[in-house]
Amino acid sequence: EAGVAQSPRYKIIEKRQSVAFWCNPISGHATLYWYQQILGQGPKLLIQFQNNGVVDDSQLPKDRFSAERLKGVDSTLKIQPAKLEDSAVYLCASSPTGQETQYFGPGTRLLVL
Amino acid sequence: AQSVTQLDSHVSVSEGTPVLLRCNYSSSYSPSLFWYVQHPNKGLQLLLKYTSAATLVKGINGFEAEFKKSETSFHLTKPSAHMSDAAEYFCVVSDDRSQGNLIFGKGTKLSVKP
Repeated sequence: EAGVAQSPRYKIIEKRQSVAFWCNPISGHATLYWYQQILGQGPKLLIQFQNNGVVDDSQLPKDRFSAERLKGVDSTLKIQPAKLEDSAVYLCASSPTGQETQYFGPGTRLLVL
Repeated sequence: AQSVTQLDSHVSVSEGTPVLLRCNYSSSYSPSLFWYVQHPNKGLQLLLKYTSAATLVKGINGFEAEFKKSETSFHLTKPSAHMSDAAEYFCVVSDDRSQGNLIFGKGTKLSVKP
């Protein structure tokens, strides 16, 4: 079974630029999560989707971050404009409906200069 | 509100000696608790999870954890460390306000000396 796929693996941008990350969850997993992991900290949930609907985006900085999962499968997370403090690893995870166990992708490491 | 506290940011052991990574949790309800491991440049991998069945939970790679409600602890142990165990370990509680959301501790970096 293929795992959660993410791309790109690494990205370097300058502040005020925009960036987008892509995630393809495990086939059949209805729930998809985006996390932000700042160096030295544990991951923090940004947004949770159930199929193509948003379940929880309470911790998403909506003035600069957006995410979509239009067809209920893969998802895109965008930052526009980026700030220095957005430098982090962005993790995508998925889980089957009704299960708590989440399966994580390798992450995208973002550096904002 | 739920939270987890990992009591050590860094633990160093010698190969072949026991491993103890400590975690305390705070939860209003009977929590679901997890341990995840993160190797450098790799995704988070589930080691084990507790969901109110047996209090001693066995996971992969010889790890286990014991849920102690009276102490609000969920410490991770392994009898004998291997070099490949060197990684970052996260204690995690499921957020009961929103099914499925995970709240991570800050992590414990495990170093294994030859």
